[in-house]
Amino acid sequence: DTGVSQDPRHKITKRGQNVTFRCDPISEHNRLYWYRQTLGQGPEFLTYFQNEAQLEKSRLLSDRFSAERPKGSFSTLEIQRTEQGDSAMYLCASSSVARNTEAFFGQGTRLTVV
Amino acid sequence: AQKVTQAQTEISVVEKEDVTLDCVYETRDTTYYLFWYKQPPSGELVFLIRRNSFDEQNEISGRYSWNFQKSTSSFNFTITASQVVDSAVYFCALSEAPGKLIFGQGTELSVKP
Repeated sequence: DTGVSQDPRHKITKRGQNVTFRCDPISEHNRLYWYRQTLGQGPEFLTYFQNEAQLEKSRLLSDRFSAERPKGSFSTLEIQRTEQGDSAMYLCASSSVARNTEAFFGQGTRLTVV
Repeated sequence: AQKVTQAQTEISVVEKEDVTLDCVYETRDTTYYLFWYKQPPSGELVFLIRRNSFDEQNEISGRYSWNFQKSTSSFNFTITASQVVDSAVYFCALSEAPGKLIFGQGTELSVKP
């Protein structure tokens, strides 16, 4: 396994622009999660997928946020009309239901909205 | 409500000292999992341990040990003979539903040579 991969690692964008992040989970992991972490805080759950189905969304995920996992493999998280408050680290994790594994995290995408 | 509290925001120790990181949790469920993750400066969360609510046995892994006490809703983490490489932010987390980890605010551990 090569681990959970996230791209890009860093993104600086102007307020009002749209951004999209990608997450490639560990192969054969059928669950994929997105978290957001602001400075000095623990990660906060945003949403998760089992295969291609999005099973839960946090109230933190406003209408400007959308996540997809079209083929049950990689996932994208899009933020539309970014705001300065969106500046954070966006973490992706994956796990296997069959093997009852814990969640393995990627290195995150650090978003800065200027 | 589910909640994880790590009251220690920052801890600083000198190398070779033992250090305990506290974690207190709240949940109404009888079945749940508790976790510890390490976050070094690189940012990636590294899994350390998972315990389920039915297993209160303490666990030791090298210099790391964990004390799970349901009576006090605590899941504390001890590093024995700390090393500079242990410097990181440590998170305790609770999981009641698949994938939905609830993290504490983290404890930043600084181990000085």
